[in-house]
Amino acid sequence: DIQLTQSPSFLSASVGDRVTITCRASQGISTHLGWYQQKPGKAPRLLIYGASTLQSGVPSRFSGSGSGTEFTLTISSLQPEDFATYYCQQFIIYPRTFGQGTKVEIK
Amino acid sequence: EVQLVQSGAEVKKPGESLKISCKGSGYSFTRYWIGWVRQMPGKGLEWMGIIYPADSDARYSPSFQGQLTMSVDKSTSTAYLQWSSLKASDSALYYCAREGNGNAFDNWGQGTLVTVSS
Repeated sequence: DIQLTQSPSFLSASVGDRVTITCRASQGISTHLGWYQQKPGKAPRLLIYGASTLQSGVPSRFSGSGSGTEFTLTISSLQPEDFATYYCQQFIIYPRTFGQGTKVEIK
Repeated sequence: EVQLVQSGAEVKKPGESLKISCKGSGYSFTRYWIGWVRQMPGKGLEWMGIIYPADSDARYSPSFQGQLTMSVDKSTSTAYLQWSSLKASDSALYYCAREGNGNAFDNWGQGTLVTVSS
Protein backbone atom coordinates (compact mmCIF):
# COMPACT_ATOMS: atom_id res chain seq x y z
CA ASP A 1 0.00 0.00 0.00
CA ILE A 2 1.06 3.60 -0.57
CA GLN A 3 1.33 5.50 2.71
CA LEU A 4 0.37 9.17 2.77
CA THR A 5 1.72 11.28 5.63
CA GLN A 6 0.22 14.68 6.25
CA SER A 7 1.90 17.44 8.20
CA PRO A 8 1.08 19.00 10.46
CA SER A 9 -1.61 16.82 12.04
CA PHE A 10 -2.97 19.86 13.84
CA LEU A 11 -2.77 23.51 12.92
CA SER A 12 -3.98 26.56 14.80
CA ALA A 13 -4.49 29.66 12.65
CA SER A 14 -6.36 32.95 12.48
CA VAL A 15 -8.85 34.26 9.96
CA GLY A 16 -6.90 35.80 7.09
CA ASP A 17 -3.82 33.60 7.57
CA ARG A 18 -2.17 31.77 4.71
CA VAL A 19 -2.20 28.06 5.55
CA THR A 20 -0.20 25.26 3.95
CA ILE A 21 -0.70 21.53 4.52
CA THR A 22 1.76 18.97 3.17
CA CYS A 23 1.09 15.41 2.04
CA ARG A 24 4.02 13.06 1.39
CA ALA A 25 3.62 9.76 -0.43
CA SER A 26 5.73 6.70 0.31
CA GLN A 27 6.32 6.27 -3.44
CA GLY A 28 5.81 8.38 -6.53
CA ILE A 29 2.22 8.95 -7.56
CA SER A 30 2.69 11.51 -10.35
CA THR A 31 -0.23 13.95 -9.86
CA HIS A 32 -2.80 11.35 -8.87
CA LEU A 33 -3.72 13.08 -5.63
CA GLY A 34 -6.73 14.89 -4.27
CA TRP A 35 -7.70 16.92 -1.24
CA TYR A 36 -10.90 16.83 0.78
CA GLN A 37 -12.40 19.01 3.49
CA GLN A 38 -14.52 17.51 6.24
CA LYS A 39 -16.51 19.45 8.81
CA PRO A 40 -17.86 17.83 11.99
CA GLY A 41 -20.92 15.69 11.32
CA LYS A 42 -20.64 16.12 7.56
CA ALA A 43 -19.43 14.03 4.65
CA PRO A 44 -16.09 14.97 3.11
CA ARG A 45 -16.10 17.43 0.22
CA LEU A 46 -13.73 17.23 -2.73
CA LEU A 47 -11.60 20.36 -3.08
CA ILE A 48 -8.85 19.43 -5.53
CA TYR A 49 -8.03 16.52 -7.82
CA GLY A 50 -5.14 15.83 -10.12
CA ALA A 51 -2.98 17.53 -7.47
CA SER A 52 -3.90 21.03 -8.64
CA THR A 53 -7.30 21.11 -10.38
CA LEU A 54 -9.95 22.92 -8.39
CA GLN A 55 -13.26 21.07 -8.16
CA SER A 56 -16.23 23.02 -9.49
CA GLY A 57 -17.70 25.35 -6.90
CA VAL A 58 -14.64 25.42 -4.64
CA PRO A 59 -13.40 28.93 -3.77
CA SER A 60 -10.24 30.08 -5.51
CA ARG A 61 -8.47 30.68 -2.18
CA PHE A 62 -7.84 26.91 -2.21
CA SER A 63 -4.97 25.69 -4.36
CA GLY A 64 -2.93 22.54 -4.71
CA SER A 65 0.50 21.78 -6.06
CA GLY A 66 3.11 19.06 -6.27
CA SER A 67 3.92 15.86 -8.07
CA GLY A 68 5.76 12.65 -7.36
CA THR A 69 5.93 12.30 -3.60
CA GLU A 70 5.33 15.77 -2.17
CA PHE A 71 2.13 17.79 -2.38
CA THR A 72 0.70 20.87 -0.75
CA LEU A 73 -2.74 22.30 -0.15
CA THR A 74 -2.74 26.05 0.38
CA ILE A 75 -5.52 28.27 1.64
CA SER A 76 -4.48 31.79 0.69
CA SER A 77 -6.63 33.63 3.25
CA LEU A 78 -8.33 31.46 5.86
CA GLN A 79 -12.04 32.11 6.27
CA PRO A 80 -14.25 31.14 9.24
CA GLU A 81 -15.89 28.39 7.19
CA ASP A 82 -12.51 26.80 6.43
CA PHE A 83 -11.98 25.50 9.95
CA ALA A 84 -12.23 21.78 9.35
CA THR A 85 -10.16 18.63 8.86
CA TYR A 86 -8.37 18.14 5.55
CA TYR A 87 -7.39 14.82 3.97
CA CYS A 88 -5.26 13.90 0.97
CA GLN A 89 -5.92 10.75 -1.07
CA GLN A 90 -3.93 9.00 -3.79
CA PHE A 91 -5.60 7.58 -6.89
CA ILE A 92 -2.78 5.79 -8.65
CA ILE A 93 -3.17 2.28 -7.23
CA TYR A 94 -5.54 0.24 -5.09
CA PRO A 95 -6.14 0.60 -2.22
CA ARG A 96 -6.66 4.32 -2.78
CA THR A 97 -5.31 5.38 0.60
CA PHE A 98 -6.01 8.56 2.53
CA GLY A 99 -3.65 10.61 4.66
CA GLN A 100 -4.32 10.70 8.39
CA GLY A 101 -5.83 14.19 8.26
CA THR A 102 -4.92 17.72 9.32
CA LYS A 103 -7.24 19.53 11.68
CA VAL A 104 -7.32 23.30 11.22
CA GLU A 105 -8.58 25.12 14.29
CA ILE A 106 -9.11 28.74 15.23
CA LYS A 107 -6.24 30.40 17.10
CA GLU B 1 -28.13 17.11 -9.47
CA VAL B 2 -25.99 14.11 -8.51
CA GLN B 3 -27.17 12.57 -5.25
CA LEU B 4 -26.16 9.55 -3.22
CA VAL B 5 -28.66 8.74 -0.48
CA GLN B 6 -27.68 6.16 2.11
CA SER B 7 -29.86 4.02 4.34
CA GLY B 8 -30.44 4.94 7.96
CA ALA B 9 -28.53 4.20 11.12
CA GLU B 10 -28.37 0.61 12.32
CA VAL B 11 -27.94 -0.94 15.76
CA LYS B 12 -26.95 -4.60 15.68
CA LYS B 13 -25.59 -7.30 17.95
CA PRO B 14 -22.28 -9.08 17.38
CA GLY B 15 -22.71 -12.00 14.99
CA GLU B 16 -25.70 -10.48 13.20
CA SER B 17 -25.74 -9.74 9.48
CA LEU B 18 -26.29 -6.33 7.92
CA LYS B 19 -26.71 -4.79 4.49
CA ILE B 20 -26.58 -1.01 4.05
CA SER B 21 -27.45 0.81 0.86
CA CYS B 22 -26.49 3.79 -1.26
CA LYS B 23 -28.91 4.96 -3.96
CA GLY B 24 -27.60 7.09 -6.79
CA SER B 25 -29.61 9.58 -8.81
CA GLY B 26 -29.07 12.46 -11.19
CA TYR B 27 -26.44 10.69 -13.29
CA SER B 28 -25.81 7.49 -15.24
CA PHE B 29 -25.31 5.10 -12.33
CA THR B 30 -23.56 2.36 -14.31
CA ARG B 31 -20.84 4.65 -15.68
CA TYR B 32 -19.12 5.60 -12.43
CA TRP B 33 -17.37 3.49 -9.80
CA ILE B 34 -18.92 3.63 -6.32
CA GLY B 35 -16.59 3.44 -3.36
CA TRP B 36 -17.03 2.85 0.35
CA VAL B 37 -15.16 4.68 3.11
CA ARG B 38 -15.11 3.89 6.82
CA GLN B 39 -14.70 6.48 9.55
CA MET B 40 -14.39 5.15 13.06
CA PRO B 41 -15.40 7.46 15.92
CA GLY B 42 -13.03 10.41 16.12
CA LYS B 43 -10.74 8.94 13.46
CA GLY B 44 -9.77 9.52 9.84
CA LEU B 45 -11.03 8.17 6.53
CA GLU B 46 -10.28 4.59 5.45
CA TRP B 47 -10.75 3.46 1.85
CA MET B 48 -12.55 0.12 1.93
CA GLY B 49 -13.17 -0.73 -1.68
CA ILE B 50 -14.86 0.20 -4.92
CA ILE B 51 -17.31 -1.40 -7.36
CA TYR B 52 -18.21 -0.70 -10.98
CA PRO B 53 -21.99 -0.93 -11.35
CA ALA B 54 -21.95 -1.86 -15.05
CA ASP B 55 -20.34 -5.26 -14.44
CA SER B 56 -19.93 -5.50 -10.63
CA ASP B 57 -16.13 -5.52 -10.94
CA ALA B 58 -15.00 -4.93 -7.34
CA ARG B 59 -11.68 -4.04 -5.74
CA TYR B 60 -11.20 -4.41 -2.00
CA SER B 61 -8.63 -2.98 0.32
CA PRO B 62 -6.59 -5.84 1.82
CA SER B 63 -7.68 -4.52 5.22
CA PHE B 64 -11.31 -5.31 4.39
CA GLN B 65 -11.03 -8.22 1.92
CA GLY B 66 -13.04 -11.18 3.19
CA GLN B 67 -14.70 -9.13 5.94
CA LEU B 68 -17.53 -7.68 3.89
CA THR B 69 -19.07 -7.71 0.43
CA MET B 70 -19.91 -4.94 -1.99
CA SER B 71 -22.69 -5.38 -4.55
CA VAL B 72 -24.97 -3.35 -6.80
CA ASP B 73 -28.49 -3.52 -8.21
CA LYS B 74 -28.44 -1.74 -11.54
CA SER B 75 -32.22 -1.81 -11.81
CA THR B 76 -32.57 0.46 -8.78
CA SER B 77 -29.23 2.33 -9.08
CA THR B 78 -28.28 1.12 -5.63
CA ALA B 79 -24.98 -0.04 -4.20
CA TYR B 80 -24.76 -2.21 -1.11
CA LEU B 81 -22.26 -3.04 1.59
CA GLN B 82 -22.92 -6.14 3.63
CA TRP B 83 -21.55 -8.09 6.53
CA SER B 84 -22.42 -11.71 7.34
CA SER B 85 -21.26 -11.60 10.95
CA LEU B 86 -20.73 -8.22 12.58
CA LYS B 87 -18.13 -7.50 15.24
CA ALA B 88 -18.04 -4.67 17.74
CA SER B 89 -15.06 -3.29 15.84
CA ASP B 90 -17.33 -2.75 12.79
CA SER B 91 -19.01 0.12 14.67
CA ALA B 92 -18.34 3.16 12.52
CA LEU B 93 -19.74 5.67 10.07
CA TYR B 94 -19.77 4.34 6.52
CA TYR B 95 -19.85 6.59 3.48
CA CYS B 96 -20.46 5.74 -0.13
CA ALA B 97 -18.99 8.02 -2.77
CA ARG B 98 -18.89 8.32 -6.54
CA GLU B 99 -15.50 8.17 -8.20
CA GLY B 100 -15.52 10.97 -10.74
CA ASN B 101 -13.06 13.66 -11.75
CA GLY B 102 -9.49 12.40 -11.76
CA ASN B 103 -10.62 9.25 -9.93
CA ALA B 104 -11.46 11.36 -6.89
CA PHE B 105 -14.66 10.93 -4.88
CA ASP B 106 -16.61 13.89 -6.23
CA ASN B 107 -19.98 13.13 -4.65
CA TRP B 108 -20.64 11.55 -1.27
CA GLY B 109 -23.57 10.04 0.55
CA GLN B 110 -24.57 11.41 3.93
CA GLY B 111 -23.15 8.41 5.78
CA THR B 112 -24.67 5.43 7.60
CA LEU B 113 -23.83 4.97 11.27
CA VAL B 114 -23.47 1.34 12.27
CA THR B 115 -23.38 0.45 15.97
CA VAL B 116 -22.57 -3.11 16.99
CA SER B 117 -23.08 -3.79 20.67
CA SER B 118 -24.27 -6.63 22.83
